[in-house]
Amino acid sequence: EDQVTQSPEALRLQEGESSSLNCSYTVSGLRGLFWYRQDPGKGPEFLFTLYSAGEEKEKERLKATLTKKESFLHITAPKPEDSATYLCAPLTTDSWGKLQFGAGTMVVVTT
Amino acid sequence: KAGVTQTPRYLIKTRGQQVTLSCSPISGHRSVSWYQQTPGQGLQFLFEYFSETQRNKGNFPGRFSGRQFSNSRSEMNVSTLELGDSALYLCASAKGAEGYTFGSGTRLTVV
Repeated sequence: EDQVTQSPEALRLQEGESSSLNCSYTVSGLRGLFWYRQDPGKGPEFLFTLYSAGEEKEKERLKATLTKKESFLHITAPKPEDSATYLCAPLTTDSWGKLQFGAGTMVVVTT
Repeated sequence: KAGVTQTPRYLIKTRGQQVTLSCSPISGHRSVSWYQQTPGQGLQFLFEYFSETQRNKGNFPGRFSGRQFSNSRSEMNVSTLELGDSALYLCASAKGAEGYTFGSGTRLTVV
């Protein structure tokens, strides 16, 4: 059975304090991985798609990396507006349209 | 460009009633997926439609159903509502392998 695990469950950061979030997975037929951020009461907002091991993508203070078994989302010098829940979902050969999301990491950035 | 539109945003229903939620995808997107999000279970896949055909279905009881129209708009229906159906219902649309765009969701409360 496919499994997606995100750690830590919650993260409290001071503004400017960099950190990393982890998404590990046990899936068959991995084709890539999605990262989303979600604000309370809203739908997830697309951040990145990573397709191959070693690939990196950046957006403002966020950088996502991918290996065969896990992905990391690095938050560099975070600001309060980076506070959100970050979700990952592997894309597999038979999962298109039916993504299995991790439970998410809730990030709170304080001043 | 217009995003994914879900209506209504909020809904309160009584146990035993049925409910229909609507989703208008981004223009040109033919794949529409539905997810249920609760604090305890996280984001769980309900079903996915492509060109009016259900391509994938999650592990939910038959009370949950959906359909897609020729203009790609989609509806989901829940019959005989139970208290445990209270959740944020999210719709997402996609075009090819570009990643899914989520709507803001419908918050359903069953009393």
